[in-house]
Amino acid sequence: DSGVTQTPKHLITATGQRVTLRCSPRSGDLSVYWYQQSLDQGLQFLIHYYNGEERAKGNILERFSAQQFPDLHSELNLSSLELGDSALYFCASSGGEGNIQYFGAGTRLSVL
Amino acid sequence: GQSLEQPSEVTAVEGAIVQINCTYQTSGFYGLSWYQQHDGGAPTFLSYNALDGLEETGRFSSFLSRSDSYGYLLLQELQMKDSASYFCAVKDSNYQLIWGAGTKLIIKP
Repeated sequence: DSGVTQTPKHLITATGQRVTLRCSPRSGDLSVYWYQQSLDQGLQFLIHYYNGEERAKGNILERFSAQQFPDLHSELNLSSLELGDSALYFCASSGGEGNIQYFGAGTRLSVL
Repeated sequence: GQSLEQPSEVTAVEGAIVQINCTYQTSGFYGLSWYQQHDGGAPTFLSYNALDGLEETGRFSSFLSRSDSYGYLLLQELQMKDSASYFCAVKDSNYQLIWGAGTKLIIKP
């Protein structure tokens, strides 16, 4: 158990809809990262938050947004969903210099 | 641009030794990490090299040569449970991890 909690585990929705994925980092970790992994693909970095502030953006679509709350949990909002958004979405957290990222079990999103 | 190159697939026999290479081209370098991911599972951290040389953790070792922009993960005494994808990742000048596309390790009995 990595200590990172992601909910929900599975999400099935329709095109055009909006969903929110939630992540609770390991106790004490200030950094939260979001990744997208499509079938048999590598990890695509989406966004990094540190102690409530956005630190870096990767290949995140404008339809996607995220935030980190004062209690350090984070949410990833995906809107106007398309079929191609179907993927595994991982959240990871790290502390200190961030040399090790601890991943949650992921949310599997299916857009039908 | 930034890129990490690693083989897409490697096949080995149970009990053998396998090496997974990773070459990188990034803006800045603050360390090379390796992660393991089983099918349907989450990536899990294996090792981190910030300086040149070999780091050993049980059956797994990781090597880094910064002058060659190259590293590898060495897995010894392969077990069937080692069948997974292995990702290298470099921490760049923005302190973000740049990920390779992953190497699928297939182990045959």
